[in-house]
Amino acid sequence: ETGVTQSPTHLIKTRGQQVTLRCSSQSGHNTVSWYQQALGQGPQFIFQYYREEENGRGNFPPRFSGLQFPNYSSELNVNALELDDSALYLCASRNPPSGSDEAFFGQGTRLTVV
Amino acid sequence: AQSVTQPDIHITVSEGASLELRCNYSYGATPYLFWYVQSPGQGLQLLLKYFSGDTLVQGIKGFEAEFKRSQSSFNLRKPSVHWSDAAEYFCAVGAPTAAGNKLTFGGGTRVLVKP
Repeated sequence: ETGVTQSPTHLIKTRGQQVTLRCSSQSGHNTVSWYQQALGQGPQFIFQYYREEENGRGNFPPRFSGLQFPNYSSELNVNALELDDSALYLCASRNPPSGSDEAFFGQGTRLTVV
Repeated sequence: AQSVTQPDIHITVSEGASLELRCNYSYGATPYLFWYVQSPGQGLQLLLKYFSGDTLVQGIKGFEAEFKRSQSSFNLRKPSVHWSDAAEYFCAVGAPTAAGNKLTFGGGTRVLVKP
């Protein structure tokens, strides 16, 4: 158990719909990152939030957006869903400068777009 | 930009045998390197990390990894594999930002353990 919880665990959406995924970071962690892991691939960095501001973004279109709240929990929103958005979405939290800089991952949300 | 290559997609090893997983990275500065393990349907668990200092790092579950700058490699090893080590393993390089490391992952190596 890492203390990072994600909801829901599984989700099925129709192409063109919108989806919101949620992440509760480990207590005391102020940085949250989101990753997309397509089947059979390694996780791909989507973006990172630090103290409620986006401070890094990977190669994902603007229809992928996020929020971080004052309690450091986070949301990932995806608009106009496409079939290729089907993946495991992972959230990771950390608390720099902790010295270890370890990212703690949640169990993920499995999104299926049909 | 950083990148990570894990040349072996699948590895099958007998229980009790040794295991080595290869990882090659590309990064313009001193790398922060990580190995994660993912069991089916699970998130990622950190096995070990390298930031600086001793190039041989010890991790959890009996794993170790050696950083070789000249070869741009960070291979993971375990002397004797247990059936519970069957999982997918990911090597990652961290790019420092103001709020910690963004991780770039390799494609993963799936390890199967034969009894």
